[in-house]
Amino acid sequence: GAVVSQHPSRVICKSGTSVKIECRSLDFQATTMFWYRQFPKQSLMLMATSNEGSKATYEQGVEKDKFLINHASLTLSTLTVTSAHPEDSSFYICSARSSGGALRDYGYTFGSGTRLTVV
Amino acid sequence: GQNIDQPTEMTATEGAIVQINCTYQTSGFNGLFWYQQHAGEAPTFLSYNVLDGLEEKGRFSSFLSRSKGYSYLLLKELQMKDSASYLCGLLYNTDKLIFGTGTRLQVFP
Repeated sequence: GAVVSQHPSRVICKSGTSVKIECRSLDFQATTMFWYRQFPKQSLMLMATSNEGSKATYEQGVEKDKFLINHASLTLSTLTVTSAHPEDSSFYICSARSSGGALRDYGYTFGSGTRLTVV
Repeated sequence: GQNIDQPTEMTATEGAIVQINCTYQTSGFNGLFWYQQHAGEAPTFLSYNVLDGLEEKGRFSSFLSRSKGYSYLLLKELQMKDSASYLCGLLYNTDKLIFGTGTRLQVFP
């Protein structure tokens, strides 16, 4: 099945610094990746849609200058949280669709998530 | 715009059957997903419905009615490990996937 590798799984950073989160599709090409954030006991909130070779599409209310998304290749998308502050502390998770699999069999595959804590 | 509604919490007994409902409003409907998510973990895929009717996968079944904007996830022979959040996901405009608030299911012995 399709596998999405997400790193790091946990990161603690100081307020004002930047953090980069990587998502790689290991055994398939992902032309589109989604980035979500999730607060404790809440559901996934779509932040942006990342398309290979083009600019990401951000959801309303998401600051594109703060959450930089790069999708430079068919297997790698990155989310950089710039000038992080404590309110950015959250669970960030990516997902992608396997180009070779049917949605009814695999759906969209999620990475394992990154728990970001800004102190 | 798009909207997804599902109950926040449900409880059930081990061995029983539980049905988790999801209603939605959207234009450009492309499918309805159900995912299971244990606390602190990534969601795992359960089912995908794009046509009306019932899809069965072992102990899990999912139903869709596009005209009613309605889906449900049916879990049979509940086990303790089924205690988790269940997310209803709406795929629209070809390739945009959003989720409802999630239903936290607690299974008691």
